[in-house]
Amino acid sequence: DVKVTQSSRYLVKRTGEKVFLECVQDMDHENMFWYRQDPGLGLRLIYFSYDVKMKEKGDIPEGYSVSREKKERFSLILESASTNQTSMYLCASRTYDRPNTEAFFGQGTRLTVV
Amino acid sequence: AQKITQTQPGMFVQEKEAVTLDCTYDTSDQSYGLFWYKQPSSGEMIFLIYQGSYDEQNATEGRYSLNFQKARKSANLVISASQLGDSAMYFCAMRGVYSGGGADGLTFGKGTHLIIQP
Repeated sequence: DVKVTQSSRYLVKRTGEKVFLECVQDMDHENMFWYRQDPGLGLRLIYFSYDVKMKEKGDIPEGYSVSREKKERFSLILESASTNQTSMYLCASRTYDRPNTEAFFGQGTRLTVV
Repeated sequence: AQKITQTQPGMFVQEKEAVTLDCTYDTSDQSYGLFWYKQPSSGEMIFLIYQGSYDEQNATEGRYSLNFQKARKSANLVISASQLGDSAMYFCAMRGVYSGGGADGLTFGKGTHLIIQP
């Protein structure tokens, strides 16, 4: 089974802290994604990566950065956490073989910034 | 830009009844893919079904089927014989192309919260 693992299920951080959310996938997928999910807004794409060291901005990249030093690992970085970044963060990965392949998601990290 | 609209924030359905969850989309792409995901209260996103824009037949996966009406730009999910375990958030999503680099993220609707009542 494809597995996408996020390092933390729940996280509480203080305003201004630098926060790292880690995601690892074990299926050699080329593409990896970070989404945030907020009630009434659905999922919104923050950043994605299609190869090691490659990254592209999604719909809401402000306040975030990403790192992909290895194919299996994609990190989301909040340089200076703010309360409006309190949210559920979902990592996903997908192969680029065929256009109809689905994205596989991690279990999510619920981040609270106080 | 792509857009997914799910007009039903919540639905209550009796167990064993069929359920239709609405999804309309907007895109200027000729080739696109539509996905449905289920998110139980535990939080994980579970892939249910896929429909390609050039697929001639509606997709089916077990109790799930997709009522694809291309001219109306709708891709409704139909769940036959609903079960208590079907209670969850359901998201419609569209695959889009953000750049020539090869990755394509999904654009999601806001979701429908389905509750199955015994």
